[in-house]
Amino acid sequence: QVQLVESGGGVVQPGGSLRLSCAASGFTFSSYGMHWVRQAPGKGLEWVAFIRYDGSNKYYADSVKGRFTISRDNSKNTLYLQMNSLRAEDTAVYYCAKDPLEGWGQGTLVTVSS
Amino acid sequence: QSVLTQPPSASGTPGQRVTISCSGSSSNIGSNYVYWYQQLPGTAPKLLIYRNNQRPSGVPDRFSGSKSGTSASLAISGLRSEDEADYYCAAWDDSLSGREVVFGGGTKLTVL
Repeated sequence: QVQLVESGGGVVQPGGSLRLSCAASGFTFSSYGMHWVRQAPGKGLEWVAFIRYDGSNKYYADSVKGRFTISRDNSKNTLYLQMNSLRAEDTAVYYCAKDPLEGWGQGTLVTVSS
Repeated sequence: QSVLTQPPSASGTPGQRVTISCSGSSSNIGSNYVYWYQQLPGTAPKLLIYRNNQRPSGVPDRFSGSKSGTSASLAISGLRSEDEADYYCAAWDDSLSGREVVFGGGTKLTVL
């Protein structure tokens, strides 16, 4: 059974940084691409980033390109999202998901506020 | 403004059949698989349909998906009160600037 547990969320000031983690279990992590998807309060789902199973390709939403970096450590079964230059509009619950978005974590809340 | 277009709301009475549409373009639905998700209040999204019309194990056969050209639909038959949720469609989008996943804006289903 796919289990994904996000962590690292919290309150950060505009312009600040935060690193999210997603611990994976229940499947062969190193064989699957992984996504980050976010949901602002009361809003719909917004895809953030994707990384191939081996980290060879990464894709980003235009809204985060140049500010966020997705990475993974297959030896630790862990996915990461480094978020820099955070803005108020980045406030959301951030979910990690196994490709093809078929298993989701419970999410971690990121609040960007002064 | 979402790349994939869904009606913001839908409704039906118990036992009815409802459909939710998802409209896109040749760069997303027209050339890639469509996925559907159900999100109950306060919970993470759950995959309902993958590869246009496939159901993961555990998803009742009351849920079905279809795709034609640049549009897709989710049908729910034998509507039940527990189906009241938000529903989202998604697909990969391949454009000149690269690949990205695009979502519909979501459809709030109300069971009357």
